[in-house]
Amino acid sequence: QKEVEQNSGPLSVPEGAIASLNCTYSDRVSQSFFWYRQYSGKSPELIMSIYSNGDKEDGRFTAQLNKASQYVSLLIRDSQPSDSATYLCAVDGASGGSNYKLTFGKGTLLTVNP
Amino acid sequence: DGGITQSPKYLFRKEGQNVTLSCEQNLNHDAMYWYRQDPGQGLRLIYYSQIVNDFQKGDIAEGYSVSREKKESFPLTVTSAQKNPTAFYLCASSIVNTDTQYFGPGTRLTVL
Repeated sequence: QKEVEQNSGPLSVPEGAIASLNCTYSDRVSQSFFWYRQYSGKSPELIMSIYSNGDKEDGRFTAQLNKASQYVSLLIRDSQPSDSATYLCAVDGASGGSNYKLTFGKGTLLTVNP
Repeated sequence: DGGITQSPKYLFRKEGQNVTLSCEQNLNHDAMYWYRQDPGQGLRLIYYSQIVNDFQKGDIAEGYSVSREKKESFPLTVTSAQKNPTAFYLCASSIVNTDTQYFGPGTRLTVL
């Protein structure tokens, strides 16, 4: 059974600070990693995908992947109150025909204080 | 305007009733998925389909049924056999042989 672990939070940061969200996964052969943002009462929205070790930047968001440590993180620079949401980490298990199913973590609640 | 639509947004069911949740997409995606989300929980996969007239059980398929008669549509029926159906139901789709999934707005089902 593939597992994706996230700290449930809440993670509270002041406006303008860097928010760091972390995720670990159990399936060593996983190849694809995603971060979704979910506002309260709404559906998840894809914000980042990462497939290779290292960093991937998109605006204020940076995803970091370390396959050796089975660890993926999301950094949000210059955090804004509008970033307050639950962030879901999702991992694809690519071992022998996983049919591109994703396993989701339970999410980390981020609160950005003005 | 491309996207995924789900209806209804809110649904109330009496115990013992079957209900059907609609999911339609005009993204020309081959694969479609149904998830369930409970408070404080991650998304759990109910059923998925990668091609018309074919679908597979996910991790929590008991008490649910689906059909995939058209590429654009993947309705989910919550049957009376589902013991605890109150939850937020999310439909997603992706291009086949990729793993990037996009979600519809969701249906919130409450059993009275």
